[in-house]
Amino acid sequence: AQSVTQLDSQVPVFEEAPVELRCNYSSSVSVYLFWYVQYPNQGLQLLLKYLSGSTLVKGINGFEAEFNKSQTSFHLRKPSVHISDTAEYFCAVSETNRDDKIIFGKGTRLHILP
Amino acid sequence: KAGVTQTPRYLIKTRGQQVTLSCSPISGHRSVSWYQQTPGQGLQFLFEYFSETQRNKGNFPGRFSGRQFSNSRSEMNVSTLELGDSALYLCASTTGGFGTYEQYFGPGTRLTVT
Repeated sequence: AQSVTQLDSQVPVFEEAPVELRCNYSSSVSVYLFWYVQYPNQGLQLLLKYLSGSTLVKGINGFEAEFNKSQTSFHLRKPSVHISDTAEYFCAVSETNRDDKIIFGKGTRLHILP
Repeated sequence: KAGVTQTPRYLIKTRGQQVTLSCSPISGHRSVSWYQQTPGQGLQFLFEYFSETQRNKGNFPGRFSGRQFSNSRSEMNVSTLELGDSALYLCASTTGGFGTYEQYFGPGTRLTVT
């Protein structure tokens, strides 16, 4: 069965500094990978997704993620964060032969420091 | 196109009572999934309905049940509420066929059990 591990529950970072949120997955078959963002008092919103092709995926709000199959990772990065990026970020995975089922990580809370 | 709507947004119930939450998916979406979100456990999958049939189910007790109507609207019911059921309940919709990767989330219903 697949699983997702987000290595950091909270990440503090200064405004305009770069950030990386880490995600590792486990699966016996090939996967699709996602990052979702949840702003305070809202539902989740898709940031970006990897389905196939280029391993570097660009999403909304300046975020990007790189799929690394050998390390089973899908880390999320942004070169310069803003106060508006304060949110919780969820990594998720679904298996390509069962893409009707998606598993979410426990989330990483991003704190932007002024 | 209108997004996923959930009603009510906030709810306070007493232990032992039952509660029904409602979710209206995006027009044309036939799959609705329900999640429970708590600070300790993160996002946990409850169940998914597609064309009025439960297609996937998470590891929750039988007190948690759901249904889907012919117009794809879904309801979730929790009977004999416990304090631990206090959570944000999110629903998400997709078109539902294989290859529909992105889930669209509603804003959630915040349930407090006292």
